[in-house]
Amino acid sequence: EADIYQTPRYLVIGTGKKITLECSQTMGHDKMYWYQQDPGMELHLIHYSYGVNSTEKGDLSSESTVSRIRTEHFPLTLESARPSHTSQYLCASSESDSYNEQFFGPGTRLTVL
Amino acid sequence: DAKTTQPPSMDCAEGRAANLPCNHSTISGNEYVYWYRQIHSQGPQYIIHGLKNNETNEMASLIITEDRKSSTLILPHATLRDTAVYYCIVRARFQTGANNLFFGTGTRLTVIP
Repeated sequence: EADIYQTPRYLVIGTGKKITLECSQTMGHDKMYWYQQDPGMELHLIHYSYGVNSTEKGDLSSESTVSRIRTEHFPLTLESARPSHTSQYLCASSESDSYNEQFFGPGTRLTVL
Repeated sequence: DAKTTQPPSMDCAEGRAANLPCNHSTISGNEYVYWYRQIHSQGPQYIIHGLKNNETNEMASLIITEDRKSSTLILPHATLRDTAVYYCIVRARFQTGANNLFFGTGTRLTVIP
């Protein structure tokens, strides 16, 4: 069983609020990822990291930012939430030599009113 | 990444084998076949991967044709908990740049009691 955790699982928040979605993994994986997925739609990569102090933007443009200060922790922040940010956010990680065997967290379902 | 084609949906009786096909006729020599599944509202789950030999693990078996242009994921004794969307992904194992796993639309497998 993969040891990757996301909090909160569900979040309902008003427009303009700052939010941070937490993601932690205990597998010692160097690579971590954030995906965004709308209901019934495809996953889109929004951020990824090769390791500590490494962050890159993914294929889908996002107003969110990420940080990687510790190997196990990869939080995602929205400075000012808007209704267009309503979606499910999925965090994943993988070992250094295996980009494609990614372990996913349970996701955070965000609703911005 | 090579393009994959999967049927949009399939049904399978509980306890029977579920055989999920995937066509990847443009696969190149260094590309592996990966299978993931996503149960409703949860994060994707890695199932299995292979290059050219058939593979088996505790979850499933993967049969790859000799010309590698198609493969079949086999769940030997499907249960109701196997109801999910199954994604076939073809990708080089070590890929630089963005590590986006393109999940596509997959096959929605429904296991019927």
